[in-house]
Amino acid sequence: EVQLVESGGGLVQPGGSLRLSCAASGFTFSSDWMHWVRQAPGKGLVWVSRIKIDGSITNYADSVKGRFTISRDNAKNTLYLQMHSLRAEDTAVYYCVVYSSGWNWGQGTLVTVSS
Amino acid sequence: DIQMTQSPSSLSASVGDRVTITCRASQGISNYVAWFQQKPGKAPKSLIYGASSLHSGVSSKFSGSGSGTDFTLIISNLQPEDFATYYCQQYKTYPLTFGGGTKVEIK
Repeated sequence: EVQLVESGGGLVQPGGSLRLSCAASGFTFSSDWMHWVRQAPGKGLVWVSRIKIDGSITNYADSVKGRFTISRDNAKNTLYLQMHSLRAEDTAVYYCVVYSSGWNWGQGTLVTVSS
Repeated sequence: DIQMTQSPSSLSASVGDRVTITCRASQGISNYVAWFQQKPGKAPKSLIYGASSLHSGVSSKFSGSGSGTDFTLIISNLQPEDFATYYCQQYKTYPLTFGGGTKVEIK
């Protein structure tokens, strides 16, 4: 069974930084592209970023390009999202997602950007 | 970016009803569509992928169909636990995009 467990969320001031982690199990982590998707309070789902199996290709939504960096450690089965220059509009639950016989989601971690 | 237009945005239904939710893509996406269920305060739960394949462990009361630009999610014999918000998603091209959601409420 695919399991994705996010951590690292919290309250941060505008302009601050935060690193999210996602611990993966139940599938071959090193064989699948990984994604981050976010959901602002009361809003819909928005794709944020993805990373290729070996980390050689990364893609970002325009809204986070240049501020967020996705990475992975296949030895630790862990996905990361480094977030810099955070803004109020980055406030959301961040989900780690993988396509492995269908889409699989973590439980999410809440990031709140506020002074 | 591919736009996913989901309708209706909300609906009221009774226990035992059959519910249909549609999603239209702004361009052809073959069968690269997934459907998710989300309850308040919870992560999305996968229902369907590949437009019509049931995700592991999901009840057969959920069914999906469509190809190209028009897709449908049908929920049969609506039960209290099915009242939630449903989203479609395309994964033919990046960025991945989602429909705006359909909130299924109790009549």
